[in-house]
Amino acid sequence: EAEVAQSPRYKITEKSQAVAFWCDPISGHATLYWYRQILGQGPELLVQFQDESVVDDSQLPKDRFSAERLKGVDSTLKIQPAELGDSAMYLCASSLKGQRGSTEAFFGQGTRLTVV
Amino acid sequence: DAKTTQPTSMDCAEGRAANLPCNHSTISGNEYVYWYRQIHSQGPQYIIHGLKNNETNEMASLIITEDRKSSTLILPHATLRDTAVYYCIVRVPNNAGNMLTFGGGTRLMVKP
Repeated sequence: EAEVAQSPRYKITEKSQAVAFWCDPISGHATLYWYRQILGQGPELLVQFQDESVVDDSQLPKDRFSAERLKGVDSTLKIQPAELGDSAMYLCASSLKGQRGSTEAFFGQGTRLTVV
Repeated sequence: DAKTTQPTSMDCAEGRAANLPCNHSTISGNEYVYWYRQIHSQGPQYIIHGLKNNETNEMASLIITEDRKSSTLILPHATLRDTAVYYCIVRVPNNAGNMLTFGGGTRLMVKP
């Protein structure tokens, strides 16, 4: 069964350092999402891509976070510099370009980031 | 997207049906009801969705009230592996994709 691949699975970094996460969506999925999930809370959308274009990054802290999906396939999320409050699970998801409400999103296993 | 209200936590005995409620009193006519669950340390997993008719698949059943202001996810024979956080989400897909807005969810504990 096709899966959304994410790496690394776990990352520990010191504050003020740069960190990057990678996501490979399910083949053929045009829509890709990055979510952040703080422990005990539901996931929050950071950025949404349609092919290589950003369609929603209103919740992305652009002073330190960046995301790209250059060829419309895999994607990288970067944090520079990392802060203690960035410790969280970073989830990637993908979906087919939507029919009206009919297309579910598939999530990867996530990257658990700990900033020390 | 309409706001949803779910109980914070629920318990269920193994082998019994788990009925998870969700209130979405401000749902609009073109919004669907989606259910996802998240097992500890994993990404969310799609379960089922519906618009107005009841739906059933191999994982669960979704019962939507006639006025669409609430719904219930039913796991007919809960197992220990169904212990997870269950999220009810109502949304209308935007033009470019299918953004999901998660609330706090219901933490379901299935007990032996």
